[in-house]
Amino acid sequence: AQSVTQLGSHVSVSEGALVLLRCNYSSSVPPYLFWYVQYPNQGLQLLLKYTSAATLVKGINGFEAEFKKSETSFHLTKPSAHMSDAAEYFCAVSETPGANSKLTFGKGITLSVRP
Amino acid sequence: EAGVTQFPSHSVIEKGQTVTLRCDPISGHDNLYWYRRVMGKEIKFLLHFVKESKQDESGMPNNRFLAERTGGTYSTLKVQPAELEDSGVYFCASSRADRVETQYFGPGTRLLVL
Repeated sequence: AQSVTQLGSHVSVSEGALVLLRCNYSSSVPPYLFWYVQYPNQGLQLLLKYTSAATLVKGINGFEAEFKKSETSFHLTKPSAHMSDAAEYFCAVSETPGANSKLTFGKGITLSVRP
Repeated sequence: EAGVTQFPSHSVIEKGQTVTLRCDPISGHDNLYWYRRVMGKEIKFLLHFVKESKQDESGMPNNRFLAERTGGTYSTLKVQPAELEDSGVYFCASSRADRVETQYFGPGTRLLVL
């Protein structure tokens, strides 16, 4: 069985500060890993994904994440936060696609950006 | 290219009533998924269609939920009869056959059962 842990429910940073959102996963098979973002009143948008190629993955809006197998982590970072980054962020895992491509999500974490 | 659309955006019903949610995937996407987020909880998988066939329905909570995808295009999720604990946001997602892992999500349907 797979699982995703996102510790905490809320992170607040100042505009221009580093954004670090943590994600740890558990999977019995090589995982695919994802970060999704949900802006207010919108659906989930894919930020980036790890699919067993490069361990450092770059996504949209300046975000990136690094897959660390030894730490079972896939933390999301952005060097400088913008006000527009305020949203809820979800980490998710799936088994290497084949018959089972369903996503298992973490609880999500809300990012606030202070002026 | 139009994204995944869901209808209605909001629904408020009373316990015991029936509600049908609709999802229109991105054109040409064979894979269609339903997920649900109950307030304060994580988003959870409900089921997965490949074209018109149910590939995995392990997440369906009970037999009050019925999903269909006739003709392999749009899908409906019916809840009958609705219970209070069915309240939440229901998301639909779709993906291509050759890029199964990249799921595109709709805006969700917010269901409130009173």
